[in-house]
Amino acid sequence: DGGITQSPKYLFRKEGQNVTLSCEQNLNHDAMYWYRQDPGQGLRLIYYSQIVNDFQKGDIAEGYSVSREKKESFPLTVTSAQKNPTAFYLCASSISVKETQYFGPGTRLLVL
Amino acid sequence: QKEVEQNSGPLSVPEGAIASLNCTYSDRVSQSFFWYRQYSGKSPELIMSIYSNGDKEDGRFTAQLNKASQYVSLLIRDSQPSDSATYLCAVIGATNKLIFGTGTLLAVQP
Repeated sequence: DGGITQSPKYLFRKEGQNVTLSCEQNLNHDAMYWYRQDPGQGLRLIYYSQIVNDFQKGDIAEGYSVSREKKESFPLTVTSAQKNPTAFYLCASSISVKETQYFGPGTRLLVL
Repeated sequence: QKEVEQNSGPLSVPEGAIASLNCTYSDRVSQSFFWYRQYSGKSPELIMSIYSNGDKEDGRFTAQLNKASQYVSLLIRDSQPSDSATYLCAVIGATNKLIFGTGTLLAVQP
């Protein structure tokens, strides 16, 4: 089945800890994205990648880092510099940046 | 002014009625418009995309776009309780980034 997978479904972070969220797609899409969703707010773009080995900051990149070493994979690291990491994290992909985006199932990050 | 604005609702309609969801956007050069449905605790799923003025129909869903008024809407005919969800309007503008509204919560009453 073609699609986007995210893992884990739930993730708990201790203070001062870096955690990495996984996103994999087998749709052969060039572009991939990370969004954060907080209650009562729309999705906000953290980082996006138009092509392998390239990525750009979105609107709220501070405290996050990404890599794009393979077309299929776009992991997001939430660093200890992100002081309010509790949110629903959504990964998406599209054929290119101007095309329709499709979302993975999401990872809910909670702080212990 | 927010880039993409939606009434947060809740919009309550009886089963079988037409639900009308509205969205306005601020970037006049926007070319691509999307409606996503998001059930509580789940990720958004694409309902419709629309790129040119007028109506686009897909089953019980109709998207309407008016670029002159910077307005896009989604009509859901014969609303069902399973349509109860948050509907997100999203627009790709001059920056080529997808900008989301905060969503309208739809509640279909049996």
